[in-house]
Amino acid sequence: DAGVIQSPRHEVTEMGQEVTLRCKPISGHNSLFWYRQTMMRGLELLIYFNNNVPIDDSGMPEDRFSAKMPNASFSTLKIQPSEPRDSAVYFCASSLRLAGVKETQYFGPGTRLLVL
Amino acid sequence: KQEVTQIPAALSVPEGENLVLNCSFTDSAIYNLQWFRQDPGKGLTSLLLIQSSQREQTSGRLNASLDKSSGRSTLYIAASQPGDSATYLCAVIGNSGNTPLVFGKGTRLSVIA
Repeated sequence: DAGVIQSPRHEVTEMGQEVTLRCKPISGHNSLFWYRQTMMRGLELLIYFNNNVPIDDSGMPEDRFSAKMPNASFSTLKIQPSEPRDSAVYFCASSLRLAGVKETQYFGPGTRLLVL
Repeated sequence: KQEVTQIPAALSVPEGENLVLNCSFTDSAIYNLQWFRQDPGKGLTSLLLIQSSQREQTSGRLNASLDKSSGRSTLYIAASQPGDSATYLCAVIGNSGNTPLVFGKGTRLSVIA
């Protein structure tokens, strides 16, 4: 299996621009997670999906952030408009959750975002 | 709200030493605890997963223990090698519903040859 795939791996943009991050989870996994990692705050959950349905988006910092999962093999995280304080590494992870059993999460390589 | 703390934040040891990384969590109602490794500029790799009913897990030179009642876990690395240099993250997942992983900020380990 190719693992969790994220694109782009690096993104440099100017303040005010729209940024779209993409994630392809491991085939067969039914849970998908978006995390953000910064030096100050560490790894924080932004939102997660179960069977393509958003379950908890309380970690999404502002209305500028939105996430979608149109099907089981694709998710996007969009920031519009972007701000310098959004600069961070954004990770996508996926797992298989069945009958209440919470399996380990597998992480993608991350997208390094720099907003100038 | 669950909080995870890792001590120390950074650690530098000579090659060959045995070392212990510490993790503590505030809410003992956890489903499992995981230790991850993160290399610079890379994603996270799961090292060990301990279910709440277990006391420890071992993989090669790594041993993780869990004391759920006291809210503590340790990661023991035997005979450290320069290739062990990385950031080690501890994360817990709660019992109730669809709770996600809550991470500590990690311990940055440097093993000097």
